[in-house]
Amino acid sequence: NAGVTQTPKFRILKIGQSMTLQCAQDMNHNYMYWYRQDPGMGLKLIYYSVGAGITDKGEVPNGYNVSRSTTEDFPLRLELAAPSQTSVYFCASSSSGRLTDTQYFGPGTRLTVL
Amino acid sequence: DAKTTQPPSMDCAEGRAANLPCNHSTISGNEYVYWYRQIHSQGPQYIIHGLKNNETNEMASLIITEDRKSSTLILPHATLRDTAVYYCIVRVASNNAGNMLTFGGGTRLMVKP
Repeated sequence: NAGVTQTPKFRILKIGQSMTLQCAQDMNHNYMYWYRQDPGMGLKLIYYSVGAGITDKGEVPNGYNVSRSTTEDFPLRLELAAPSQTSVYFCASSSSGRLTDTQYFGPGTRLTVL
Repeated sequence: DAKTTQPPSMDCAEGRAANLPCNHSTISGNEYVYWYRQIHSQGPQYIIHGLKNNETNEMASLIITEDRKSSTLILPHATLRDTAVYYCIVRVASNNAGNMLTFGGGTRLMVKP
């Protein structure tokens, strides 16, 4: 089991560029999440999905888009990158949506927008 | 959701108990207290949660005051691997994934040899 994998690990973008952060899990989890973590701060939920074809906004969705065409994959799209999107992005998955359910996290993608 | 207040940092000697406080004075009756931690560069890890009774599991104990306005997470015998940022959050225990894991600065616990 690879768990939750994320690519790339690091990326530098110029203002206005676009990119897709990839996330995949092999645990057959229905729930998947995208978080961002700014330096010295806690996590903020960007988008989440409760199953293939179903996505919803979290606390900070502006500037991002997601899709969930399969159970395994949950890519995060950044359109027109801005310096405010410089952050570490974590993808996570869980079998249910309960707060006590273990969320398995990927290693993160460190994104810098210059 | 109720806001929480935690000290930004704490130190603890290895092998001693680490007591991490959290204030949540605006907590409402149906909100639970949850604790997570994040070891450097990793994703958060669930530790424990409670409503009004004290709770204990293999990782930690959670003490909630009778008025529920504050709580303390206790790591009974801290090890170097417990060095992490500890987050206290207050949430309704629903199945709504949109309520998950949004939290603030936490307490940076440094366990020293």
